Amino acid sequence: SQKIEQNSEALNIQEGKTATLTCNYTNYSPAYLQWYRQDPGRGPVFLLLIRENEKEKRKERLKVTFDTTLKQSLFHITASQPADSATYLCALTSGGFKTIFGAGTRLFVKA
Amino acid sequence: EAGVTQFPSHSVIEKGQTVTLRCDPISGHDNLYWYRRVMGKEIKFLLHFVKESKQDESGMPNNRFLAERTGGTYSTLKVQPAELEDSGVYFCASSPGTRPNYGYTFGSGTRLTVV
Repeated sequence: SQKIEQNSEALNIQEGKTATLTCNYTNYSPAYLQWYRQDPGRGPVFLLLIRENEKEKRKERLKVTFDTTLKQSLFHITASQPADSATYLCALTSGGFKTIFGAGTRLFVKA
Repeated sequence: EAGVTQFPSHSVIEKGQTVTLRCDPISGHDNLYWYRRVMGKEIKFLLHFVKESKQDESGMPNNRFLAERTGGTYSTLKVQPAELEDSGVYFCASSPGTRPNYGYTFGSGTRLTVV
């Protein structure tokens, strides 16, 4: 069955460091891969999208890589800040435009 | 621009009762999606509307769930009769087109508790 794996353990890093989150998937051929941020009691907020034919995408302090051979995406936050503390969700969209989500990874950035 | 609005934000009902959730998407967004997060697990797809038509309802759990989008504007999701396992957070999202070029805009969700 289709599956998205994100590290279920929380990631704790020091302010100013780079946070790297991983998204692995199986039995899926996504046309798009998205990353969302979710804060407690709120809905997910869209951050970045990368297409299957793209290797890397950047937006301000965020960088996403997409390796369709490894079936993996890495999400980087450089110069992390306490305000970046949240749960980050990986989402895959098929060519039929159905999107599935991973369970997310919690990030804590300590001042 | 107003975001995606969901109502109510919380609902507590008894098993066997009926509950209707409402979602107002961003004006002009033809695509509307319902998702559900149960017991801290991943957000799971329920269904997708394009305007008033159901494009994909493969994620609907069973026939106790009925979604409508009359007129292609707001949508409702009715659960009748509710069961304990229906508890969770129901999210609605919208997008202008079918391709997620700019991602989906989510509402804050409705937390449903069935007791």
